[in-house]
Amino acid sequence: DGGITQSPKYLFRKEGQNVTLSCEQNLNHDAMYWYRQDPGQGLRLIYYSQIVNDFQKGDIAEGYSVSREKKESFPLTVTSAQKNPTAFYLCASSKGGSYNEQFFGPGTRLTVL
Amino acid sequence: KNEVEQSPQNLTAQEGEFITINCSYSVGISALHWLQQHPGGGIVSLFMLSSGKKKHGRLIATINIQEKHSSLHITASHPRDSAVYICAVGGSNYKLTFGKGTLLTVNP
Repeated sequence: DGGITQSPKYLFRKEGQNVTLSCEQNLNHDAMYWYRQDPGQGLRLIYYSQIVNDFQKGDIAEGYSVSREKKESFPLTVTSAQKNPTAFYLCASSKGGSYNEQFFGPGTRLTVL
Repeated sequence: KNEVEQSPQNLTAQEGEFITINCSYSVGISALHWLQQHPGGGIVSLFMLSSGKKKHGRLIATINIQEKHSSLHITASHPRDSAVYICAVGGSNYKLTFGKGTLLTVNP
C-alpha cells in the first residue's frame, strides 16, 4: 500500500538535545513538507522540498534543519536552537504545487522535558 | 500573506442534522483544500477546489472565487463525522496557508 510513514509516534527528549524525525513516502511524489501543529493554531510550514537535493524554508524554519538526499525520505532535525520544540509534527507529500492534494503522515508528537 | 478564517470554531450537532462549515480568505488563490483531522491526529484530504462545487458521499464543498469564500456541508451527519475540519488555501507556489480548524462533535 502506498502512503507516508512517520516514526516514532511519540518522542521524548531532554532540553538541549537535537532530535531527528523520520518521514518516508512510497507515493513517488516529488514534493514533501514538514508542518508543526500547536493547540489552537493552524498548521505552520517549517520546510518544504520540491525535488531531491533541494529544499526551502517555510514560515517557521528557525531552529530546524532538513535534508532531501532521496526522493522517498525527508527527515527533520529539531535542534537545541528551537526555543519551543514541544509540538505535533506532520509530514506530507504531493505531486507538487498548491493545486495538488497533499497526503499526510500520522504525525510525531515531540515532548521536550 | 493570505489570512484564512474559519467559522464556527466549535460546532455541536445531533445525528442526522445538516452541517455547514465556512472558510474565508483574503487574497486570490489557485486552490482551496478541505481536510479532516481525527482525534488520533492523522489528516485526510477531503476536497481540492479551484471553482464550483464537488460532492463525495455525504460531503459537499463549494467555492465562490469572487467572494473569497468556501463552505463544507455534511448531510445526514453521523457521530463518525466528529473531527476537526481544516480549510487551507494555496497560491502560485507550493505553500498552503491553513485555517485554525472547526471542531465538529456529532452526538447520537
